[in-house]
Amino acid sequence: GAVVSQHPSRVICKSGTSVKIECRSLDFQATTMFWYRQFPKKSLMLMATSNEGSKATYEQGVEKDKFLINHASLTLSTLTVTSAHPEDSSFYICSAHHRGVGTDTQYFGPGTRLTVL
Amino acid sequence: AQSVSQHNHHVILSEAASLELGCNYSYGGTVNLFWYVQYPGQHLQLLLKYFSGDPLVKGIKGFEAEFIKSKFSFNLRKPSVQWSDTAEYFCAVNADDDYKLSFGAGTTVTVRA
Repeated sequence: GAVVSQHPSRVICKSGTSVKIECRSLDFQATTMFWYRQFPKKSLMLMATSNEGSKATYEQGVEKDKFLINHASLTLSTLTVTSAHPEDSSFYICSAHHRGVGTDTQYFGPGTRLTVL
Repeated sequence: AQSVSQHNHHVILSEAASLELGCNYSYGGTVNLFWYVQYPGQHLQLLLKYFSGDPLVKGIKGFEAEFIKSKFSFNLRKPSVQWSDTAEYFCAVNADDDYKLSFGAGTTVTVRA
């Protein structure tokens, strides 16, 4: 159980275009999901917290108008990178928060490799 | 906010050797502690977690970790590694009243056959 999927796994786009990445919790409901960036040989950097039915909460330094997050249902959150530029090329990972009694845990998706040309 | 430090950047060892990865956190309140593993080309997987109770936690694939509150540490151990344990290991912490995780920088473990 506790499987999280992401789509697409890889995407290449031209500079100036927008890209949408989907994150789904397959076998549990998640009122809270998280979006991270992972740079090569680096740890995960939290970008934002996605809350079902309300606005996302962004970490300091993350542009909310550039990284649009929508959490329309209990199993789906989307991240749209708007007007993408080469510096947005990265590995984007989502996680879904699984609530349980004394066992709240984040489960991670496989990631999306974004390359902006 | 919490911060997490992993002391070893890259560990290289031979099969059957014992492994211990250090993790320390800084936060004055109650925390939940996690170790995640990322095998080459794969997504992060939960190895083990500590919320409360017995400070010695056993996880999957023969890993265990010990929470020592007085030292703010949650070190990961495995008595005898295999080549398949080659991966990136991340320690993570969240405050008990906050879902957000703070990650350490990660430790690359290379096991030589």
